[in-house]
Amino acid sequence: DTGVSQNPRHKITKRGQNVTFRCDPISEHNRLYWYRQTLGQGPEFLTYFQNEAQLEKSRLLSDRFSAERPKGSFSTLEIQRTEQGDSAMYLCASSPEQRRTAFFGQGTRLTVV
Amino acid sequence: GDSVTQMEGPVTLSEEAFLTINCTYTATGYPSLFWYVQYPGEGLQLLLKATKADDKGSNKGFEATYRKETTSFHLEKGSVQVSDSAVYFCALSEDYKLSFGAGTTVTVRA
Repeated sequence: DTGVSQNPRHKITKRGQNVTFRCDPISEHNRLYWYRQTLGQGPEFLTYFQNEAQLEKSRLLSDRFSAERPKGSFSTLEIQRTEQGDSAMYLCASSPEQRRTAFFGQGTRLTVV
Repeated sequence: GDSVTQMEGPVTLSEEAFLTINCTYTATGYPSLFWYVQYPGEGLQLLLKATKADDKGSNKGFEATYRKETTSFHLEKGSVQVSDSAVYFCALSEDYKLSFGAGTTVTVRA
């Protein structure tokens, strides 16, 4: 399967704990995106990488959130000191450079209890 | 800023009925327009897209036409099936990020 892969698919954590999600994009795609989707809403943009450079961060991404893409391949999204409001589906997507069509992974569903 | 407004659901239809989901957008430039579909328990899948005015995107019997004069990109299918039950999202992109509508839940009954 050469699609976008996300791990884990589900994560339940206690409030205050740190969590980390991983995304493996389609191999030839140099653009990678993170989105967040809450129940009944469309996905909202969080951040964007071109190769290893993080070029934009949404205002939605508080200081507790950090994303990396160290070698321009896979990416990680870390949430520190999780809060109940962080409960959502975290979606990763990738696209080739200069193409607007993004391909999404199946997402990581985070539940903070 | 960019925004997408789509028809609120849920929408419930009988098999073989005609489906329309309205989508209008606000953008400063010349966006590309998309419909994504999310089947139960799955991630977002690109259904169709259009990159310029008057383009028609089509896939799996679904169609949508990019109407610049009305800033719309309505999704249509002439005869729905139970397997079309899903959440449908309209989206636009002017550069590299997507702006999504809130989604429309469609349920097709046998």
